[in-house]
Amino acid sequence: AIPLTQSPSSLSAFVGDRVTITCRASRDIDTALAWYQQTPGKAPKLLIYHASSLESGVPSRFSGSGSRADFSLTISSLQPEDFATYYCQQLSTFPFTFGPGTKVEIK
Amino acid sequence: QVQLQESGPGLVKPSETLSLTCTVSGGSIRSGNYSWGWIRQPPGKGLEWIGNIYQSGTPYYNPSLKSRVTMFVDTYRNQFSLKLTSVTAADTAVYYCARLGYRGWPYDYYGFDVWGLGTTVGVSS
Repeated sequence: AIPLTQSPSSLSAFVGDRVTITCRASRDIDTALAWYQQTPGKAPKLLIYHASSLESGVPSRFSGSGSRADFSLTISSLQPEDFATYYCQQLSTFPFTFGPGTKVEIK
Repeated sequence: QVQLQESGPGLVKPSETLSLTCTVSGGSIRSGNYSWGWIRQPPGKGLEWIGNIYQSGTPYYNPSLKSRVTMFVDTYRNQFSLKLTSVTAADTAVYYCARLGYRGWPYDYYGFDVWGLGTTVGVSS
């Protein structure tokens, strides 16, 4: 299995802030990485696939970057609806693994 | 658009078998380059991939659960299913079914783009 780590595990930010979350794989996964957003009581929502491709319908303030083992998700201007938990997932090798999540809270 | 809906019992006794079904609506389970997966989330914890099954019926399971998991697809009913045997309290979770798109060979995956609402399964006597 390919473990993923995320940092930070949680953060507090103001509406309008620029926020970056990082995800690191234990080995090279090329760009086989997706990012999801989950709000309480809801199913995860796909934001980014192939490390940097924006899923249809996702606001352009979300962006992803990185390759091989280091990746990041950036929210350029945090909106009230963005307060949620964010997960990365590697889709390079079975078993597909998720990162532990990063909780973004209101400051 | 395609929608997924999980169904199954909300409570299972320890050592028994958990059985869930995911019904696909708004599209055929046989169309497009899609694989069908199960993901679970224990209370207050993160996401765990359980496995995926392809239209051909070929499954891939998480090794951590492999000896207890079976998945199968019913293309006539437009459904796919999960069975998890010998459950314990550690299997208490919200179980999601989801669609995974891919392209090419070897498969290049996009991500789980359509999810069910999730179903809560508790394990208790």
